[in-house]
Amino acid sequence: EPEVTQTPSHQVTQMGQEVILRCVPISNHLYFYWYRQILGQKVEFLVSFYNNEISEKSEIFDDQFSVERPDGSNFTLKIRSTKLEDSAMYFCASNIGPGANHEQFFGPGTRLTVL
Amino acid sequence: AQTVTQSQPEMSVQEAETVTLSCTYDTSESDYYLFWYKQPPSRQMILVIRQEAYKQQNATENRFSVNFQKAAKSFSLKISDSQLGDAAMYFCAYRSKTGNQFYFGTGTSLTVIP
Repeated sequence: EPEVTQTPSHQVTQMGQEVILRCVPISNHLYFYWYRQILGQKVEFLVSFYNNEISEKSEIFDDQFSVERPDGSNFTLKIRSTKLEDSAMYFCASNIGPGANHEQFFGPGTRLTVL
Repeated sequence: AQTVTQSQPEMSVQEAETVTLSCTYDTSESDYYLFWYKQPPSRQMILVIRQEAYKQQNATENRFSVNFQKAAKSFSLKISDSQLGDAAMYFCAYRSKTGNQFYFGTGTSLTVIP
């Protein structure tokens, strides 16, 4: 069964460094998402992406964040200059279309630790 | 903004017994979707069950069923005949009919006792 994959599973970085989190969505999916979960808190929506552009973003998704689909298979989240409060689990998701019948499929997550 | 609350951070159930996980939400919309996702340890979230707000009938999927109380804005998940493989974190989620983003609760960690 197709799955969303994410790499790395755990990323440790120093404050101020740039990180790129990678996701490979399911191949025939058209909509892509990033969520994050700070330890002990809710899973929060960051951004959705369709047709090579951002379709929705939350207040969390500020200028430090960017997303890209560089090669037709990967979907990346870049954090330009990491802060301590960026430490969280980051989940990628994808689906075929925006209708609720098209469930979002989630990856296993990347745990980002900012020191 | 929509909020989703799961008031039970942890629950446990004996194998073969029934357990109910609670979820409440807040919205001003009349039509929307509700979901329960399961996240086993070190694995991705998978959809357990979904409910469309305009449908009065409670959704069921094998051993999983929901009790959807629209007026009370409550959406609980009942797991019958619990199995060891049901042990996981369970997330309740809300999705507007007009948007794509999910609003999640903080999750309930379910332990199944053999």
